[in-house]
Amino acid sequence: DAKTTQPNSMESNEEEPVHLPCNHSTISGTDYIHWYRQLPSQGPEYVIHGLTSNVNNRMASLAIAEDRKSSTLILHRATLRDAAVYYCILRDSNSGYALNFGKGTSLLVTP
Amino acid sequence: KAGVTQTPRYLIKTRGQQVTLSCSPISGHRSVSWYQQTPGQGLQFLFEYFSETQRNKGNFPGRFSGRQFSNSRSEMNVSTLELGDSALYLCASSHSGTSGLDEQFFGPGTRLTVL
Repeated sequence: DAKTTQPNSMESNEEEPVHLPCNHSTISGTDYIHWYRQLPSQGPEYVIHGLTSNVNNRMASLAIAEDRKSSTLILHRATLRDAAVYYCILRDSNSGYALNFGKGTSLLVTP
Repeated sequence: KAGVTQTPRYLIKTRGQQVTLSCSPISGHRSVSWYQQTPGQGLQFLFEYFSETQRNKGNFPGRFSGRQFSNSRSEMNVSTLELGDSALYLCASSHSGTSGLDEQFFGPGTRLTVL
């Protein structure tokens, strides 16, 4: 399975942008980059996904490097509710597109 | 639209017993996946069911099994419980999961404690 590397933790001030990095140097051409987050005491929730191009939705933006070996999840204006563990996941056909969660990045948002 | 529901929410069992957990997916979703979350190992994929067939399986021993019914509801069973099976068991549903694009919707989980 293709693997991802994320920082263990990050901290941000409320109402500031947050850039959460993810390295996936062994990504293959057909791997999709997905981001999920897990708020305290809840199940994970989908944030965003992409293949090659940058993506935007109401929750966040996903910036994918040209060589696809890394990506960045961007929260444009962090709120206290965004404090969660963020998981960067590669979904590939070899693993049946299973969500193989790594350790993720624990994001702390301070007022 | 109702979300993914899991029952029971909490469960206490003793070593050697077996347990069955239930998951009702979002209406119209045909794929159900199960995950185990522990502080030590994090979130790990158990298996996925689609149209009553196991389509994908993670790296767990045969004591962990599941099934899916014609209405897409799913159950997972753990036999001969061990202390290490204490975990939060999460269920997620999606439309099909075939393209790698399908968003998975997670339930609140069942907290299993094995004494």
